[in-house]
Amino acid sequence: GDSVTQTEGPVTLSEGTSLTVNCSYETKQYPTLFWYVQYPGEGPQLLFKVPKANEKGSSRGFEATYNKEATSFHLQKASVQESDSAVYYCALSDRGTGYQNFYFGKGTSLTVIP
Amino acid sequence: AQTIHQWPVAEIKAVGSPLSLGCTIKGKSSPNLYWYWQATGGTLQQLFYSITVGQVESVVQLNLSASRPKDDQFILSTEKLLLSHSGFYLCAWSLGTGGYEQYFGPGTRLTVL
Repeated sequence: GDSVTQTEGPVTLSEGTSLTVNCSYETKQYPTLFWYVQYPGEGPQLLFKVPKANEKGSSRGFEATYNKEATSFHLQKASVQESDSAVYYCALSDRGTGYQNFYFGKGTSLTVIP
Repeated sequence: AQTIHQWPVAEIKAVGSPLSLGCTIKGKSSPNLYWYWQATGGTLQQLFYSITVGQVESVVQLNLSASRPKDDQFILSTEKLLLSHSGFYLCAWSLGTGGYEQYFGPGTRLTVL
């Protein structure tokens, strides 16, 4: 079945440093890939989605490229801020399940120190 | 703009008692609706989805059931709560099938004692 594996947390960074959260996935059919962010006590918010291979998604300074050959979708940000402290989830849906089933990674907790 | 409301905000219930959680979407007709469960510090596990009124598909069996009595309403329930039902329940909606993103509600925190 489908699965998503992402960087184990927690991750602690100083403000101004760069972030990479690795995400690898397994699926048999045409996935659409997503990154979500969740703040404490809230529902997840969509950062961005990328439906096509070799395309890049970006939002709020975060970006990720859908690498079909490597089955990866790593999240990156050049310079993190304290407000980026949250849990980040990689997710996918695929045509095999009619895009109705969403599979989330285990989440990566990020703490940014001022 | 679409808004998603969940109720109650939080519940504390006894093992063996019944449960009903609700979700309402405003500003979008005929959305696809979803229920998720999240253990404390855990990932999101999809439980149910619904494409239309009266039709609900189960993704994971956790001794829970779901219903969609109205186009804009999604209900999650059980007759007997277990300790393992504790967690954060999230409702989400999407525009339809085909790789659309899902938008999540604020969630309901459930504690089973």
